[in-house]
Amino acid sequence: GEDVEQSLFLSVREGDSSVINCTYTDSSSTYLYWYKQEPGAGLQLLTYIFSNMDMKQDQRLTVLLNKKDKHLSLRIADTQTGDSAIYFCAERTGGYQKVTFGTGTKLQVIP
Amino acid sequence: NAGVTQTPKFQVLKTGQSMTLQCAQDMNHNSMYWYRQDPGMGLRLIYYSASEGTTDKGEVPNGYNVSRLNKREFSLRLESAAPSQTSVYFCASSESGTGEHEQYFGPGTRLTVT
Repeated sequence: GEDVEQSLFLSVREGDSSVINCTYTDSSSTYLYWYKQEPGAGLQLLTYIFSNMDMKQDQRLTVLLNKKDKHLSLRIADTQTGDSAIYFCAERTGGYQKVTFGTGTKLQVIP
Repeated sequence: NAGVTQTPKFQVLKTGQSMTLQCAQDMNHNSMYWYRQDPGMGLRLIYYSASEGTTDKGEVPNGYNVSRLNKREFSLRLESAAPSQTSVYFCASSESGTGEHEQYFGPGTRLTVT
């Protein structure tokens, strides 16, 4: 079965880089996602990576995928206070409706 | 476009009461989903609808029913609420077919069952 795990909390200083990690168990994942949830709001897609890629960069965001270790990471460069949120890793396996979300990592940015 | 809308935003129920959570999307998406979010457990899928007229159970369907009223609307019903159903409920929608299938989420309904 699918299982997606993340650490619950990360604290960084403004201007530093943040690295949020995720491990998953299903080797048949097709897409892996990072969603962001701001307080009192729903989730919003930040970025995604297709399973045949090992890196994707999008402005301040870098996603690294290690398929051998089933490890996904999200690096946020020059972290800002507006980046404070909960970040969810998610994997899609099989059909498009089969998306499993991790527990979420709460990122606290200290000014 | 409003995206995905949910009503109500907040609700308090007594044990045994029933209620329906409403969800609508204006993006012409085929697929719609209901999740619950609990601390330390992430999002868990309750039910989903791959297309109008079809619904399927997700990971935690017990105690819930759904209706895909039309392509826009997907409602979640609690027939007899229990304290274990205290949670934040999110509706989402996505396209179908090929592609990355980003899910678009509503703002959530915060439900407390006493």
